[in-house]
Amino acid sequence: AQSVAQPEDQVNVAEGNPLTVKCTYSVSGNPYLFWYVQYPNRGLQFLLKYITGDNLVKGSYGFEAEFNKSQTSFHLKKPSALVSDSALYFCAVRDDNYGQNFVFGPGTRLSVLP
Amino acid sequence: ETGVTQTPRHLVMGMTNKKSLKCEQHLGHNAMYWYKQSAKKPLELMFVYSLEERVENNSVPSRFSPECPNSSHLFLHLHTLQPEDSALYLCASSQDPATRASYNEQFFGPGTRLTVL
Repeated sequence: AQSVAQPEDQVNVAEGNPLTVKCTYSVSGNPYLFWYVQYPNRGLQFLLKYITGDNLVKGSYGFEAEFNKSQTSFHLKKPSALVSDSALYFCAVRDDNYGQNFVFGPGTRLSVLP
Repeated sequence: ETGVTQTPRHLVMGMTNKKSLKCEQHLGHNAMYWYKQSAKKPLELMFVYSLEERVENNSVPSRFSPECPNSSHLFLHLHTLQPEDSALYLCASSQDPATRASYNEQFFGPGTRLTVL
């Protein structure tokens, strides 16, 4: 079975500081990993994904994420946070075995303080 | 938005009403999804349609009835709902291959905020 954990309900960071939003996963096959962001009263927006290859993937708005197979993690990072990054962030996984759907984590609320 | 539209954006209904949510995708995708998003709970996958055929129904109560007349449109018909059905209902689409797992991301609509009185 697939599962995703986001151990922090809330992350607070000062503007200009680096940010990390954590994600760990469990799949039976190989993982396809995704990060999405949700702003108030909006749907989820795709940020980046890992399929294969380089463990560090870069995405929209200066975000990047690092795939770590041994730790089954896919943490989202940004070198310098902006107040406008404040939102709800979701990690999602899809097993590479055919027939599996996306499984989303519970979400982490990021607050960037001016 | 992202090429996926949903109407209405807000809906208030009584428990005896019948209403429908509509989703339309303008991205040429072949798969569409309904999700339920409740406060402090993970996204719940409700229904999946691939090539206009329902491929998954995650034990959703029969008071929710999906319809996918073509690859661009998806409906969720609602009747005799309960107050605990109040949530944000999100529609998504993606381009999925027919014979292997897809690594394509999903594109989401803005959602319909449903309140059941």
